[in-house]
Amino acid sequence: DTEVTQTPKHLVMGMTNKKSLKCEQHMGHRAMYWYKQKAKKPPELMFVYSYEKLSINESVPSRFSPECPNSSLLNLHLHALQPEDSALYLCASSQAHGTSEEYYGYTFGSGTRLTVV
Amino acid sequence: DQQVKQNSPSLSVQEGRISILNCDYTNSMFDYFLWYKKYPAEGPTFLISISSIKDKNEDGRFTVFLNKSAKHLSLHIVPSQPGDSAVYFCAASASGTYKYIFGTGTRLKVLA
Repeated sequence: DTEVTQTPKHLVMGMTNKKSLKCEQHMGHRAMYWYKQKAKKPPELMFVYSYEKLSINESVPSRFSPECPNSSLLNLHLHALQPEDSALYLCASSQAHGTSEEYYGYTFGSGTRLTVV
Repeated sequence: DQQVKQNSPSLSVQEGRISILNCDYTNSMFDYFLWYKKYPAEGPTFLISISSIKDKNEDGRFTVFLNKSAKHLSLHIVPSQPGDSAVYFCAASASGTYKYIFGTGTRLKVLA
């Protein structure tokens, strides 16, 4: 299995709703990421989990709450979002850092397209 | 401040010719670079990487060149194929971080 699976693929939610995005990988990767991508912009890092611990939070508003229940799963809990939070949310995973100079590449999921109304 | 820049938003190339996509960066701490391809409605797909101890890395039709003194990297695709039509992002990272900074992307169109 060489994929990162994200569900749902599309989500429409109201500003008072609570919803969750899910991400799963079975490649043994120990680092997992949430990115946000607005139209015609590059992906922007939100959170990084390393060995199931939150290691980077890019000053993301608290209405986004990440969770890493185990090494294969990553969730993003959403509450009281704003219309400007509408975007493509990408999950990615990678091998944990080692001493090798080689491949640090990520595997990305296909994303969840979120619309906040 | 955009630390990773792709100054050409779009590029058109005839099938069979070479495509050259460029990327510039400003942070001298960056020492690992990636190129990704993205089709509409899909996540980015990893293409090729290069670390700062090398100046060239090749994988089939794809070659990445790194010029550290100029803080510039480029992706060469030879020969270009219509299926290569996509948005290409470069991304850069500094050792010891998990953080990649993405460029704004270049839309490549390969004409049959």
